[in-house]
Amino acid sequence: EPEVTQTPSHQVTQMGQEVILRCVPISNHLYFYWYRQILGQKVEFLVSFYNNEISEKSEIFDDQFSVERPDGSNFTLKIRSTKLEDSAMYFCASSDRINTGELFFGEGSRLTVL
Amino acid sequence: AQSVTQPDIHITVSEGASLELRCNYSYGATPYLFWYVQSPGQGLQLLLKYFSGDTLVQGIKGFEAEFKRSQSSFNLRKPSVHWSDAAEYFCAVRRSNDYKLSFGAGTTVTVRA
Repeated sequence: EPEVTQTPSHQVTQMGQEVILRCVPISNHLYFYWYRQILGQKVEFLVSFYNNEISEKSEIFDDQFSVERPDGSNFTLKIRSTKLEDSAMYFCASSDRINTGELFFGEGSRLTVL
Repeated sequence: AQSVTQPDIHITVSEGASLELRCNYSYGATPYLFWYVQSPGQGLQLLLKYFSGDTLVQGIKGFEAEFKRSQSSFNLRKPSVHWSDAAEYFCAVRRSNDYKLSFGAGTTVTVRA
């Protein structure tokens, strides 16, 4: 069964460092998403991406965050200068269409900022 | 803005007993409704979804959910739980033409022998 894969599964970084989280969505999907879950809190929407541009973003997704689909298969989330409060599980998801499209989630990348 | 409430933070149930997880949403029109499960160390797996039509939907792993418009609810049920059902369960909602899912806070299910 096709799946969304994410790397790394866990990354530890120092505050102020740049982090790139990588995702390989399901191959025929067109819509891509990043969500995050701070420990003990809700899963929160960060950003959606379609046709090589951001289609929607939350207020969490400030200038420190960026997304990119560099090569037609990977979908990356970059955090330019990490803060302690960026520590969370980051989930990538993809779907093949917007209406009635199911979101398929990856297993997540746990980011720990020290 | 839509919101999702899962009133129960933690539920403990005996193996073989029935399970019901509550979900209420706040939204002006009928949203798309979902239940996801997250096992320890795993990602989010879709159990079932409701878009329209029959208000009782069947999902994977023996789960079902019923959409009740009058109560703005989408409760998840399983007649007989297995130890492997121990996990965190999330209700989620989105609008039909929207990109983002709004999640509830989750309900942790513990299954005792």
